[in-house]
Amino acid sequence: DTAVSQTPKYLVTQMGNDKSIKCEQNLGHDTMYWYKQDSKKFLKIMFSYNNKELIINETVPNRFSPKSPDKAHLNLHINSLELGDSAVYFCASSLVARGRGPQETQYFGPGTRLLVL
Amino acid sequence: AQTVTQSQPEMSVQEAETVTLSCTYDTSESDYYLFWYKQPPSRQMILVIRQEAYKQQNATENRFSVNFQKAAKSFSLKISDSQLGDAAMYFCAYRSAGSGDYKLSFGAGTTVTVRA
Repeated sequence: DTAVSQTPKYLVTQMGNDKSIKCEQNLGHDTMYWYKQDSKKFLKIMFSYNNKELIINETVPNRFSPKSPDKAHLNLHINSLELGDSAVYFCASSLVARGRGPQETQYFGPGTRLLVL
Repeated sequence: AQTVTQSQPEMSVQEAETVTLSCTYDTSESDYYLFWYKQPPSRQMILVIRQEAYKQQNATENRFSVNFQKAAKSFSLKISDSQLGDAAMYFCAYRSAGSGDYKLSFGAGTTVTVRA
């Protein structure tokens, strides 16, 4: 039983294209996140949604647009892909956005490796 | 913004031995959480251990334990009886508990190699 799943796992595309990455969690969590891991393995938050509401929007180009159709899904759409967008994108979820104990622990999906040519 | 520093890019340990990974962080908050995540070659981010800043007792999960020094803003991870499966990149992460900043702030990671 996959807790946090992402599709696709690999994505190779040409510069200028538009692509989407899908994320689903079956943990019943309220909060979902997108992180980007660059070529140096550095991880940084991009977005977070709590109950379908955007709560974190870091300094990310507006070519990146998250969409949360329901609590269990958070998709990432990227327009006009650039070479610098090549990275591994991780989706994560937590039971709540802010709480005590393990409720706020974030669980990660397997990652989507995006390569822009 | 919180800064998390992992000063050891790479560490090597003999199988069955112990290795300690260092992590320091910079914050003005008193209430927060700290985590260690493991990323093996499969790329999956796996939670290893978590520590709540308001708890003085150091967290332990089987062979993994932390040394949390709040005043020094230090959060090291000790891996005891190292196994080949422990080979991975380990990330230290910080999360605020109070201000509404829900994100994890990660260190740059430490690559652990286990020698057979």
